[in-house]
Amino acid sequence: ETGVTQSPTHLIKTRGQQVTLRCSSQSGHNTVSWYQQALGQGPQFIFQYYREEENGRGNFPPRFSGLQFPNYSSELNVNALELDDSALYLCASSLGGASGNTIYFGEGSWLTVV
Amino acid sequence: RKEVEQDPGPFNVPEGATVAFNCTYSNSASQSFFWYRQDCRKEPKLLMSVYSSGNEDGRFTAQLNRASQYISLLIRDSKLSDSATYLCVVNPHAGNNRKLIWGLGTSLAVNP
Repeated sequence: ETGVTQSPTHLIKTRGQQVTLRCSSQSGHNTVSWYQQALGQGPQFIFQYYREEENGRGNFPPRFSGLQFPNYSSELNVNALELDDSALYLCASSLGGASGNTIYFGEGSWLTVV
Repeated sequence: RKEVEQDPGPFNVPEGATVAFNCTYSNSASQSFFWYRQDCRKEPKLLMSVYSSGNEDGRFTAQLNRASQYISLLIRDSKLSDSATYLCVVNPHAGNNRKLIWGLGTSLAVNP
């Protein structure tokens, strides 16, 4: 158990809809990163939040947005869903964003877009 | 060239075999390196960090060759429970863990 929880675990959405995924970080961790992992691929970095501010972003369009709350939990929002958004979405928490700090993953949210 | 490349796999080996995974990275300024393990439909879990001096954890040995930009993972006396996908991960940034770069992973199946 990593102490990182994600919800929902599985969901199915229709193309064009919007989705919100949630993540509670491990106690004491102030940094949350989100990754997208398509089938057969490695995780791709979406963005990172540190103390409620976006702290780095990967090559994802603006329809991928996020939030971090004062308790360091986080949301990932995806608008105008496309079929290619079908993937496992992983949240990872860490204490600070320092290189080498261990990151802990939640079990992920499986999103299927039909 | 991909930023992180791994052996394509899959690897099918008998119990007790020794298996080696290789990984190359393109950014010579990369700062830290890791091997993660991912079981089917589960989240990745840190297996071990990789240091220039090489490091060992039980049956697992990781090596880093900065000159060749090459990372390896050796598993000795493989067990059925080692069956998983092994992901090579590179952190190109000093001072932060933003934008970890992940390989596609190499699938390992250990057979009885």
